[in-house]
Amino acid sequence: AQSVSQHNHHVILSEAASLELGCNYSYGGTVNLFWYVQYPGQHLQLLLKYFSGDPLVKGIKGFEAEFIKSKFSFNLRKPSVQWSDTAEYFCAVQARWGTYKYIFGTGTRLKVLA
Amino acid sequence: GAVVSQHPSRVICKSGTSVKIECRSLDFQATTMFWYRQFPKQSLMLMATSNEGSKATYEQGVEKDKFLINHASLTLSTLTVTSAHPEDSSFYICSARGQGGAMNTEAFFGQGTRLTVV
Repeated sequence: AQSVSQHNHHVILSEAASLELGCNYSYGGTVNLFWYVQYPGQHLQLLLKYFSGDPLVKGIKGFEAEFIKSKFSFNLRKPSVQWSDTAEYFCAVQARWGTYKYIFGTGTRLKVLA
Repeated sequence: GAVVSQHPSRVICKSGTSVKIECRSLDFQATTMFWYRQFPKQSLMLMATSNEGSKATYEQGVEKDKFLINHASLTLSTLTVTSAHPEDSSFYICSARGQGGAMNTEAFFGQGTRLTVV
């Protein structure tokens, strides 16, 4: 079955700490990969995406993610978090066939302490 | 990126009434639109996928007679929640995908509609 797994449901960090959020997927075929952020009371915003090429992708606000094909993983990282990064983060996988639908992970709620 | 607009952003309706939510692609032709539902503090669950001019494909467990989806044009899809009940209260999000280099055509998300059924 197709699935996206985010291992960390809640993460609490102090400002300036480094962040890594895990994302693993199970999908029978080639996929595109995304990370989205949802700030409290707001809609989804795209952080970064991977389609092909360099497996290390850089996104907005200092975020980056690395696609490791052998591990079916697409972990999100940021070297130094800020209070304003407090939000919920969703990993998503898009099939490259059929309806090209997205499947979302369960989300990770990040709280950054000032 | 491309812009997808949802309307209304918030709606409160009485139990037993129907509510229509619109999803428009403003600057591209959306051959495929997706409807999601997000419960509080949970992830987005795909409800259905619609292609312009054809019937929507519903995910397992989603009642097609309750959640009517129409994708009559390349820029508009509507979701109608029929005979709404309090348990239908949720955040509904649409996304739209155009037709281009198929493998790389990402979908763009609307702002979402918060439905409250009282």
